[in-house]
Amino acid sequence: NAGVTQTPKFQVLKTGQSMTLQCAQDMNHEYMSWYRQDPGMGLRLIHYSVGAGITDQGEVPNGYNVSRSTTEDFPLRLLSAAPSQTSVYFCASSYSYSRGSYTEAFFGQGTRLTVV
Amino acid sequence: RKEVEQDPGPFNVPEGATVAFNCTYSNSASQSFFWYRQDCRKEPKLLMSVYSSGNEDGRFTAQLNRASQYISLLIRDSKLSDSATYLCVVKSPWAGGYNKLIFGAGTRLAVHP
Repeated sequence: NAGVTQTPKFQVLKTGQSMTLQCAQDMNHEYMSWYRQDPGMGLRLIHYSVGAGITDQGEVPNGYNVSRSTTEDFPLRLLSAAPSQTSVYFCASSYSYSRGSYTEAFFGQGTRLTVV
Repeated sequence: RKEVEQDPGPFNVPEGATVAFNCTYSNSASQSFFWYRQDCRKEPKLLMSVYSSGNEDGRFTAQLNRASQYISLLIRDSKLSDSATYLCVVKSPWAGGYNKLIFGAGTRLAVHP
């Protein structure tokens, strides 16, 4: 079972370069999100999407763009990489996050990004 | 102040020990509560939900105190395989009628022989 697939697993970028982190899920989940995890900080929400064509900002959106053209895919774009974006990035999906409902969040394996 | 706070640990315990982790959250409108487990260099995975009346799953017991905004996880008879970081997670209202998951920074557990 594929679940949530993230690519690449590792990436080194130079300051100012751009790149796209890919995320795909095969569970027909409505809700997808991107987090970054830094030591001592916990996972912080970057952007999220509640369905195809609908995205919104999370807690730390600056420097990142997202789009959701299909239910399955939710790529994260780094526009101009900075050393402060060195982190581990996780994509997650769940069936729904509307109020009153709960479903488990499934995570991809993560992307370890270093910006030099 | 962080929305979800946990003691980072590490908690170093021998096999067979009982260990408890605590977590506090700041948003009284939070609706649901969870413990996730994260192994070293891996993704988080759901360990268990936390219900108001308290709940058990094998060796794991979770408790919620809404009045004190406090969540706990108790692990009995610790195994080497329990070594991991335990993330306290709270679902809170967000914009547009949706919710967000807020993650604590995690508590690291190391179980030794």
